[in-house]
Amino acid sequence: TQLLEQSPQFLSIQEGENLTVYCNSSSVFSSLQWYRQEPGEGPVLLVTVVTGGEVKKLKRLTFQFGDARKDSSLHITAAQPGDTGLYLCAGVANYGQNFVFGPGTRLSVLP
Amino acid sequence: DAGVTQSPTHLIKTRGQQVTLRCSPKSGHDTVSWYQQALGQGPQFIFQYYEEEERQRGNFPDRFSGHQFPNYSSELNVNALLLGDSALYLCASSPLTPLAGGSGANVLTFGAGSRLTVL
Repeated sequence: TQLLEQSPQFLSIQEGENLTVYCNSSSVFSSLQWYRQEPGEGPVLLVTVVTGGEVKKLKRLTFQFGDARKDSSLHITAAQPGDTGLYLCAGVANYGQNFVFGPGTRLSVLP
Repeated sequence: DAGVTQSPTHLIKTRGQQVTLRCSPKSGHDTVSWYQQALGQGPQFIFQYYEEEERQRGNFPDRFSGHQFPNYSSELNVNALLLGDSALYLCASSPLTPLAGGSGANVLTFGAGSRLTVL
């Protein structure tokens, strides 16, 4: 059974601070995706990382895929209240058809 | 371009009852997956439908069943409801084949979910 762990579970920070959240597994995935989910909504895809060691940037968000394709991190620079939400990582296997979600990191950015 | 639509948005049932949730996929998508998201947890895969057949199934009992129609829309049925079935039920659609030239990973488009409360 493929499992994903995310840390921290909860994070509350002030606007302007930097933060990093982590996604770890003992399994190798063909790729990994990060989603953000806001209250009352479904998850929305932020990024897909495919190659071990890959780094992708999306404005103030930086995503990294571990060299062994078992873990990933999401770094947010100068967090804003609009970044508040549940950040989910999802490991992708079986040629893009199997998605295993982590439990999420709930981020709160206070103004 | 309408995304994934789900109905109803909220519903309340009592133990032992049955419920049917509905999903219309994003235009151009032919594969529908259902997920259960308990409060404070990540989505758990229930099953996936393509060409009106269940292609994959997660670790859920037979009380959970589904259907896909020729227009690609889908239903999730849960029988003999338990208190522990209370959750947000998410439908996600995707094309069967990952996007050409993309990462090789499929992209799930989620609906806003149906929140089920079992009393």
